Amino acid sequence: DQQVKQNSPSLSVQEGRISILNCDYTNSMFDYFLWYKKYPAEGPTFLISISSIKDKNEDGRFTVFLNKSAKHLSLHIVPSQPGDSAVYFCASGTYKYIFGTGTRLKVLA
Amino acid sequence: GAGVSQSPSNKVTEKGKDVELRCDPISGHTALYWYRQSLGQGLEFLIYFQGNSAPDKSGLPSDRFSAERTGGSVSTLTIQRTQQEDSAVYLCASSKDRQETQYFGPGTRLLVL
Repeated sequence: DQQVKQNSPSLSVQEGRISILNCDYTNSMFDYFLWYKKYPAEGPTFLISISSIKDKNEDGRFTVFLNKSAKHLSLHIVPSQPGDSAVYFCASGTYKYIFGTGTRLKVLA
Repeated sequence: GAGVSQSPSNKVTEKGKDVELRCDPISGHTALYWYRQSLGQGLEFLIYFQGNSAPDKSGLPSDRFSAERTGGSVSTLTIQRTQQEDSAVYLCASSKDRQETQYFGPGTRLLVL
């Protein structure tokens, strides 16, 4: 029973365009969310987070949106670059993170 | 500026053997976590250490799994009598404190034949 779901296993986007990665969660008590990026043979790297008191958090090219009523969050990458090609995981929790299964993003040059 | 390191990077073992996986956290980080990622799955929490407190073992899948953290630094995850379903990437992370950002090591890829 997955509490954090990433329903798109893969996504391809043209360089310079927007990448939108989606994540759904089932538990309305979840109040802190994170996105991690993972390259092959490396550990996940923290990207951006958002607390439930906010509906948007921005860091450079990366923006995370949170829709609490829909239990949905999304990560926007604008503009997408080939170096952004990686697997992106959303997660929730304060210390025992619950991760989604990841979305493999491929940015085409 | 060392990050989290893990060893070995790859381990192949036979079913029924015991394995030990090692994690060196970032210096000064009091919190240490173990996760595993099975094929096609997300990361699954296993165990959490915070300072000298009793560890949170709520994610360990069976009593064949155990972990210790010596001197508040290095941690070892031990899997006894390995089974094929234990094959996964085992990831260690550390953070300055609980609820701080977790920094992950590169993982140990375990294959049980």
